Amino acid sequence: GAGVSQTPSNKVTEKGKYVELRCDPISGHTALYWYRQSLGQGPEFLIYFQGTGAADDSGLPNDRFFAVRPEGSVSTLKIQRTERGDSAVYLCASSLTRTANTGELFFGEGSRLTVL
Amino acid sequence: SQQGEEDPQALSIQEGENATMNCSYKTSINNLQWYRQNSGRGLVHLILIRSNEREKHSGRLRVTLDTSKKSSSLLITASRAADTASYFCAPSYNTDKLIFGTGTRLQVFP
Repeated sequence: GAGVSQTPSNKVTEKGKYVELRCDPISGHTALYWYRQSLGQGPEFLIYFQGTGAADDSGLPNDRFFAVRPEGSVSTLKIQRTERGDSAVYLCASSLTRTANTGELFFGEGSRLTVL
Repeated sequence: SQQGEEDPQALSIQEGENATMNCSYKTSINNLQWYRQNSGRGLVHLILIRSNEREKHSGRLRVTLDTSKKSSSLLITASRAADTASYFCAPSYNTDKLIFGTGTRLQVFP
């Protein structure tokens, strides 16, 4: 597809379960970002990748959160032992060039996670 | 903090009026970007202004940047109901980490 694709669009899980959220960026985009957004708030930075490596993971809230991008394209955000406070919309974005230069982010529609 | 802070938090206007929202940031930037988010959707890039630019236009959007005051403004002229959305600024520094504030929620009434 032409845009950033995120699956699933909605995920309902129970407290303590493991969850994986997938992001398929725009083809050729080397940078990939994960954000988390709660209702009425702005997107909260979690992690970003340049290629296969995590360039900055300072936003991951704790060690229950982990993200990978093994081939420099698709990325998976993994959440272990989910808690009710993890409920949010998880947004993925990709960029062709560095945002420090003139790179703009292209966002997916998000994955809404609800932890019961 | 690396995030921009948008002001006001909320803005309500009638169709046809102009909407102005502001963004302040703390340290020197490479560029500043504005994004729009419609309810329940992802963010959409609107416009980018470089640190050496003072004003930029795109359609009904006008962005200004005052690096001495560390602030930017986004003006939407002749607003439409379809402009109803949240608007976020994102200052870009030497890192590639874009941090967003809480945004300005714009409501345009028909």
